[in-house]
Amino acid sequence: EAGVAQSPRYKIIEKRQSVAFWCNPISGHATLYWYQQILGQGPKLLIQFQNNGVVDDSQLPKDRFSAERLKGVDSTLKIQPAKLEDSAVYLCASSWSQMTDTQYFGPGTRLTVL
Amino acid sequence: AQSVSQHNHHVILSEAASLELGCNYSYGGTVNLFWYVQYPGQHLQLLLKYFSGDPLVKGIKGFEAEFIKSKFSFNLRKPSVQWSDTAEYFCAVNRKAAGNKLTFGGGTRVLVKP
Repeated sequence: EAGVAQSPRYKIIEKRQSVAFWCNPISGHATLYWYQQILGQGPKLLIQFQNNGVVDDSQLPKDRFSAERLKGVDSTLKIQPAKLEDSAVYLCASSWSQMTDTQYFGPGTRLTVL
Repeated sequence: AQSVSQHNHHVILSEAASLELGCNYSYGGTVNLFWYVQYPGQHLQLLLKYFSGDPLVKGIKGFEAEFIKSKFSFNLRKPSVQWSDTAEYFCAVNRKAAGNKLTFGGGTRVLVKP
Protein backbone atom coordinates (compact mmCIF):
# COMPACT_ATOMS: atom_id res chain seq x y z
CA GLU A 1 0.00 0.00 0.00
CA ALA A 2 1.45 3.35 -1.04
CA GLY A 3 1.81 5.88 1.75
CA VAL A 4 0.96 9.55 1.91
CA ALA A 5 2.88 11.46 -0.75
CA GLN A 6 4.00 15.05 -0.40
CA SER A 7 5.91 17.45 -2.62
CA PRO A 8 8.17 19.25 -2.68
CA ARG A 9 10.30 17.85 0.13
CA TYR A 10 12.18 21.10 0.63
CA LYS A 11 11.45 24.71 -0.27
CA ILE A 12 13.37 27.90 0.38
CA ILE A 13 11.69 31.23 -0.29
CA GLU A 14 12.03 34.84 0.74
CA LYS A 15 9.52 36.53 2.98
CA ARG A 16 6.47 37.95 1.22
CA GLN A 17 6.74 35.30 -1.51
CA SER A 18 4.08 32.66 -2.08
CA VAL A 19 4.46 28.90 -1.79
CA ALA A 20 2.26 25.86 -2.30
CA PHE A 21 2.52 22.32 -1.00
CA TRP A 22 0.84 19.26 -2.43
CA CYS A 23 -0.40 16.11 -0.72
CA ASN A 24 -1.82 12.85 -2.04
CA PRO A 25 -3.34 10.70 0.72
CA ILE A 26 -3.51 6.94 0.94
CA SER A 27 -6.03 5.63 -1.57
CA GLY A 28 -9.51 5.44 -0.10
CA HIS A 29 -8.80 7.67 2.88
CA ALA A 30 -11.64 10.15 3.24
CA THR A 31 -10.04 12.38 5.83
CA LEU A 32 -6.98 14.53 5.18
CA TYR A 33 -5.08 16.72 7.62
CA TRP A 34 -2.43 19.42 7.34
CA TYR A 35 -0.13 19.99 10.30
CA GLN A 36 2.58 22.57 10.95
CA GLN A 37 5.62 21.43 12.92
CA ILE A 38 7.93 24.19 14.08
CA LEU A 39 11.42 23.12 15.07
CA GLY A 40 11.47 21.74 18.61
CA GLN A 41 7.69 21.42 18.85
CA GLY A 42 5.09 18.78 18.13
CA PRO A 43 2.85 18.97 15.07
CA LYS A 44 -0.08 21.39 15.26
CA LEU A 45 -3.23 20.77 13.25
CA LEU A 46 -3.95 23.51 10.70
CA ILE A 47 -6.92 22.08 8.81
CA GLN A 48 -8.92 18.88 8.49
CA PHE A 49 -10.90 17.80 5.42
CA GLN A 50 -13.57 15.13 5.14
CA ASN A 51 -13.73 14.31 1.43
CA ASN A 52 -13.81 17.78 -0.16
CA GLY A 53 -15.33 19.60 2.81
CA VAL A 54 -13.56 21.39 5.66
CA VAL A 55 -14.21 19.84 9.07
CA ASP A 56 -11.97 22.11 11.14
CA ASP A 57 -9.82 25.08 10.17
CA SER A 58 -9.88 26.87 13.51
CA GLN A 59 -6.08 27.01 13.75
CA LEU A 60 -5.42 28.02 10.16
CA PRO A 61 -4.16 31.63 9.83
CA LYS A 62 -6.67 32.49 7.18
CA ASP A 63 -5.20 35.87 6.33
CA ARG A 64 -2.26 34.13 4.65
CA PHE A 65 -2.93 30.39 4.57
CA SER A 66 -5.42 28.61 2.35
CA ALA A 67 -6.07 24.97 1.55
CA GLU A 68 -8.30 23.06 -0.80
CA ARG A 69 -9.23 19.50 -1.64
CA LEU A 70 -11.45 20.07 -4.62
CA LYS A 71 -12.08 16.49 -5.75
CA GLY A 72 -11.82 14.91 -2.34
CA VAL A 73 -8.51 13.24 -3.09
CA ASP A 74 -5.30 15.28 -3.22
CA SER A 75 -4.90 18.61 -1.49
CA THR A 76 -2.93 21.82 -1.76
CA LEU A 77 -1.85 24.12 1.07
CA LYS A 78 -0.80 27.65 0.13
CA ILE A 79 0.90 30.45 2.01
CA GLN A 80 0.64 33.95 0.60
CA PRO A 81 2.58 35.99 1.60
CA ALA A 82 5.04 34.02 3.69
CA LYS A 83 6.53 35.32 6.92
CA LEU A 84 9.74 34.32 8.68
CA GLU A 85 7.72 32.55 11.39
CA ASP A 86 6.20 30.22 8.77
CA SER A 87 9.50 28.33 8.61
CA ALA A 88 8.50 24.82 9.63
CA VAL A 89 7.82 21.32 8.36
CA TYR A 90 4.34 20.98 6.86
CA LEU A 91 2.97 17.50 7.36
CA CYS A 92 0.07 15.90 5.59
CA ALA A 93 -1.77 12.94 7.12
CA SER A 94 -4.77 10.86 6.16
CA SER A 95 -7.17 8.41 7.78
CA TRP A 96 -10.09 6.26 6.68
CA SER A 97 -12.59 8.50 8.40
CA GLN A 98 -12.94 11.48 10.69
CA MET A 99 -13.97 9.21 13.51
CA THR A 100 -11.37 7.84 15.87
CA ASP A 101 -8.92 6.34 13.48
CA THR A 102 -5.18 6.02 12.99
CA GLN A 103 -3.61 8.88 11.04
CA TYR A 104 -0.84 8.06 8.58
CA PHE A 105 1.72 10.76 7.94
CA GLY A 106 3.64 11.77 4.86
CA PRO A 107 7.34 12.73 4.84
CA GLY A 108 6.58 16.45 5.11
CA THR A 109 7.77 19.56 3.31
CA ARG A 110 10.48 21.55 5.05
CA LEU A 111 9.91 25.27 4.39
CA THR A 112 12.58 27.86 5.07
CA VAL A 113 11.58 31.50 4.79
CA LEU A 114 14.52 33.92 4.52
CA ALA B 1 -7.82 24.19 25.77
CA GLN B 2 -6.54 20.67 25.63
CA SER B 3 -2.78 20.26 26.06
CA VAL B 4 -0.27 17.43 26.12
CA SER B 5 2.97 17.58 28.11
CA GLN B 6 6.05 15.47 27.64
CA HIS B 7 8.36 15.97 30.57
CA ASN B 8 11.69 15.14 29.04
CA HIS B 9 12.92 16.95 25.96
CA HIS B 10 16.08 14.89 25.62
CA VAL B 11 17.03 11.47 26.95
CA ILE B 12 20.41 9.80 26.52
CA LEU B 13 20.93 6.20 27.54
CA SER B 14 23.01 3.17 26.73
CA GLU B 15 21.91 0.04 24.91
CA ALA B 16 20.07 -2.45 27.11
CA ALA B 17 18.95 0.29 29.51
CA SER B 18 15.26 0.67 30.26
CA LEU B 19 13.31 3.58 28.83
CA GLU B 20 10.30 5.40 30.22
CA LEU B 21 8.90 8.56 28.65
CA GLY B 22 6.26 10.56 30.45
CA CYS B 23 3.12 11.99 28.88
CA ASN B 24 0.33 13.89 30.62
CA TYR B 25 -2.74 15.51 29.11
CA SER B 26 -5.07 18.13 30.45
CA TYR B 27 -8.49 17.15 29.11
CA GLY B 28 -10.88 15.55 31.60
CA GLY B 29 -13.24 13.81 29.20
CA THR B 30 -12.92 10.54 27.34
CA VAL B 31 -9.80 10.45 25.20
CA ASN B 32 -7.88 8.28 22.78
CA LEU B 33 -4.12 8.18 23.24
CA PHE B 34 -1.26 7.60 20.84
CA TRP B 35 2.50 7.39 20.71
CA TYR B 36 4.15 8.22 17.42
CA VAL B 37 7.84 7.83 16.60
CA GLN B 38 10.01 9.60 14.06
CA TYR B 39 13.28 7.86 13.23
CA PRO B 40 16.06 9.99 11.70
CA GLY B 41 15.18 10.87 8.13
CA GLN B 42 11.82 9.12 8.27
CA HIS B 43 8.23 10.23 8.68
CA LEU B 44 6.04 9.96 11.75
CA GLN B 45 4.71 6.48 12.33
CA LEU B 46 2.40 4.98 14.90
CA LEU B 47 4.00 3.03 17.77
CA LEU B 48 0.85 2.18 19.69
CA LYS B 49 -2.59 3.49 20.59
CA TYR B 50 -5.17 3.21 23.33
CA PHE B 51 -8.89 3.52 22.66
CA SER B 52 -10.48 1.46 25.43
CA GLY B 53 -10.13 -1.78 27.41
CA ASP B 54 -6.89 -3.00 28.96
CA PRO B 55 -4.94 0.10 30.01
CA LEU B 56 -1.64 -1.64 29.28
CA VAL B 57 -1.10 -1.41 25.55
CA LYS B 58 1.57 -3.21 23.60
CA GLY B 59 2.92 -1.76 20.39
CA ILE B 60 5.56 -2.49 17.81
CA LYS B 61 9.26 -3.09 18.49
CA GLY B 62 8.74 -4.10 22.11
CA PHE B 63 7.20 -0.83 23.28
CA GLU B 64 4.30 -0.64 25.68
CA ALA B 65 2.35 2.15 27.35
CA GLU B 66 0.10 2.34 30.37
CA PHE B 67 -2.96 4.55 30.59
CA ILE B 68 -3.59 5.77 34.14
CA LYS B 69 -6.85 7.69 34.01
CA SER B 70 -6.57 9.11 37.54
CA LYS B 71 -3.21 10.65 36.68
CA PHE B 72 -4.11 11.74 33.14
CA SER B 73 -0.98 9.93 32.02
CA PHE B 74 0.05 7.63 29.20
CA ASN B 75 3.72 6.77 29.75
CA LEU B 76 5.75 4.86 27.20
CA ARG B 77 8.15 2.10 28.24
CA LYS B 78 10.64 -0.31 26.80
CA PRO B 79 12.56 -2.70 29.06
CA SER B 80 15.75 -2.83 27.00
CA VAL B 81 16.54 -0.31 24.28
CA GLN B 82 18.64 -0.78 21.19
CA TRP B 83 20.69 1.69 19.19
CA SER B 84 17.95 1.56 16.54
CA ASP B 85 15.49 3.11 19.03
CA THR B 86 17.24 6.45 18.58
CA ALA B 87 14.39 8.69 17.46
CA GLU B 88 11.98 11.41 18.49
CA TYR B 89 8.86 10.23 20.30
CA PHE B 90 5.57 12.12 20.34
CA CYS B 91 2.58 11.58 22.57
CA ALA B 92 -0.79 12.60 21.09
CA VAL B 93 -4.36 12.78 22.32
CA ASN B 94 -7.76 13.22 20.78
CA ARG B 95 -11.07 13.71 22.47
CA LYS B 96 -13.63 11.09 21.54
CA ALA B 97 -16.26 13.81 21.29
CA ALA B 98 -14.19 15.93 18.91
CA GLY B 99 -13.53 13.47 16.14
CA ASN B 100 -10.01 12.75 15.07
CA LYS B 101 -8.25 16.02 15.91
CA LEU B 102 -4.88 15.14 17.38
CA THR B 103 -3.08 17.32 19.91
CA PHE B 104 0.61 16.49 20.15
CA GLY B 105 3.11 16.92 22.91
CA GLY B 106 6.40 18.67 22.24
CA GLY B 107 8.31 15.43 21.68
CA THR B 108 11.22 13.71 23.39
CA ARG B 109 14.47 13.10 21.56
CA VAL B 110 16.00 9.78 22.59
CA LEU B 111 19.62 8.97 21.86
CA VAL B 112 20.76 5.43 22.51
CA LYS B 113 24.51 5.05 22.69
CA PRO B 114 25.92 1.79 21.33
